[in-house]
Amino acid sequence: GENVEQHPSTLSVQEGDSAVIKCTYSDSASNYFPWYKQELGKRPQLIIDIRSNVGEKKDQRIAVTLNKTAKHFSLHITETQPEDSAVYFCAVPITGANSKLTFGKGITLSVRP
Amino acid sequence: EAGVTQSPTHLIKTRGQQATLRCSPISGHTSVYWYQQALGLGLQFLLWYDEGEERNRGNFPPRFSGRQFPNYSSELNVNALELEDSALYLCASSYTGGTYTGELFFGEGSRLTVL
Repeated sequence: GENVEQHPSTLSVQEGDSAVIKCTYSDSASNYFPWYKQELGKRPQLIIDIRSNVGEKKDQRIAVTLNKTAKHFSLHITETQPEDSAVYFCAVPITGANSKLTFGKGITLSVRP
Repeated sequence: EAGVTQSPTHLIKTRGQQATLRCSPISGHTSVYWYQQALGLGLQFLLWYDEGEERNRGNFPPRFSGRQFPNYSSELNVNALELEDSALYLCASSYTGGTYTGELFFGEGSRLTVL
């Protein structure tokens, strides 16, 4: 099955600094790469996604970059704020007739004021 | 527009009992997914239903089962509960089944505690 790994497992940054979270996957046929954010006690929500036909996508302070050759994609958060503190999950769909979304184990980002 | 709703919010059971969790997807969504979120294990895929049919199943024992009703709502049943079944069970819905290419909308989850 699809193997999705996230690095690091926890990350602590100072407010205003940048944070980068990396996700590696095993299925080279995957073509859709989302990132979900789960604040404490709340539901996971999609924050940004990228499709395999582009290498980078930005939305204000967040961006996602994709390296299909190396089979990894990364979430970049600039000018971090305390409200960015949350668990971030990457996910990859398994291609095929019965595909599903496989999530990584999540990374806990803490932004220190 | 109402989001994905799940019930109950909390459920406490003892070992060996059965638990039933319910999910109503966003109106117009035909696919419902169930995930288990246990501490430190991320989101583990359980089941995917689309148009009333089970489309895919994760690596969980057969005592985890479910169904999808004609109105696209869904039910997750866990039989013969074990202590390690204690977790947050998240339901999500999406517009389409088949090859996944769209956003999953999650509910707030049902927290199951097995004593």
